[in-house]
Amino acid sequence: DSGVTQTPKHLITATGQRVTLRCSPRSGDLSVYWYQQSLDQGLQFLIQYYNGEERAKGNILERFSAQQFPDLHSELNLSSLELGDSALYFCASSAGVTGTSTDTQYFGPGTRLTVL
Amino acid sequence: AQSVTQLDSHVSVSEGTPVLLRCNYSSSYSPSLFWYVQHPNKGLQLLLKYTSAATLVKGINGFEAEFKKSETSFHLTKPSAHMSDAAEYFCVVRLFSGSARQLTFGSGTQLTVLP
Repeated sequence: DSGVTQTPKHLITATGQRVTLRCSPRSGDLSVYWYQQSLDQGLQFLIQYYNGEERAKGNILERFSAQQFPDLHSELNLSSLELGDSALYFCASSAGVTGTSTDTQYFGPGTRLTVL
Repeated sequence: AQSVTQLDSHVSVSEGTPVLLRCNYSSSYSPSLFWYVQHPNKGLQLLLKYTSAATLVKGINGFEAEFKKSETSFHLTKPSAHMSDAAEYFCVVRLFSGSARQLTFGSGTQLTVLP
């Protein structure tokens, strides 16, 4: 158990809908990351938050957004869903201390999104 | 830019024989490299990491990897495979710039262990 929790485990929805995925980082971790794992794209970095602020963006669509709240949990919002958004979405967290090279990311179990 | 290339999409070994999963990296500076494992329907678990200390890195479950700068490689090995090692393995490089820390994943190597 990595200490990172994600809810829900599974989500089935229809095209055009909007969903919210939730992540709670390990106790004390300030950085949260979102990744998408799909069959055709593999594992891709979406976005990083550090202590409530966006720090880095990867291949995140404009229909997707995220935020990190004062209690450090994070939500990934996916809107106008398409069939191709079906994937496993992982959250990871790390201590996120600037300047260190020992900043290991620990992954949650993922949320499997199925868009029908 | 930085990237990793996993040279084999599938590797099959017999139980009790050595495992070698190959990874080459590309990075404009000294990289931080990781191996993660993903068991079926599970999340990603860190096996080991290299962060410019010892070039031979020991991880969990008997795995180790050697950083070879001259060959830009970070291959994962294990002396004797166990059935429970069957999983997908990802070689990963990390961007280290300010507070940005995102990981770039290889395409994965599916390890099958035969009885």
